[in-house]
Amino acid sequence: SQTIHQWPATLVQPVGSPLSLECTVEGTSNPNLYWYRQAAGRGLQLLFYSIGIGQISSEVPQNLSASRPQDRQFILSSKKLLLSDSGFYLCAYVQGSYNSPLHFGNGTRLTVT
Amino acid sequence: AQSVTQPDIHITVSEGASLELRCNYSYGATPYLFWYVQSPGQGLQLLLKYFSGDTLVQGIKGFEAEFKRSQSSFNLRKPSVHWSDAAEYFCAVGDTGGFKTIFGAGTRLFVKA
Repeated sequence: SQTIHQWPATLVQPVGSPLSLECTVEGTSNPNLYWYRQAAGRGLQLLFYSIGIGQISSEVPQNLSASRPQDRQFILSSKKLLLSDSGFYLCAYVQGSYNSPLHFGNGTRLTVT
Repeated sequence: AQSVTQPDIHITVSEGASLELRCNYSYGATPYLFWYVQSPGQGLQLLLKYFSGDTLVQGIKGFEAEFKRSQSSFNLRKPSVHWSDAAEYFCAVGDTGGFKTIFGAGTRLFVKA
């Protein structure tokens, strides 16, 4: 069966520190991978998506970047965190065809202090 | 551009009462529509999806949704709410490119005894 792992579950980081959030998918190959950010009352904002190794599409200009070093690994990074980077970060994947449903990880709660 | 509107930020329903969560979308062609549920601190889980065919769609946990093209709506319903249904519900639409999903801001459901 397919599973998605996301870690850490919670993270408290000072302003200006770096960030690395990791997401891995098991039980499938060549999935589309996504990073979303969720702010209270604002739904889910798509940050990045990837349809293959090394292929990253950025949706919103910001202080974050993403990489896909392996087929089933998706990493969200920042060199210097801002207070506004606080939020709930969700990784998701799609396996299949056009507009297939998303499968989400359990998320990372990031607090920048 | 595609968009999704969920007019109700939060709704309170008595246990055993019926539920309807509203969703309106903006899309030029036949949309791919989804409802997801999120428990506190967790990722999102797919409740149901509409791609084509029968406009009344059955999902998990006793939920259903009806696609109404004339009203650009995809409302979620449940005939009898259980306390465990308290969560946040997101309506979403797949974009024309087939790779991205656009989410509404969500409706938080409270269930009172």
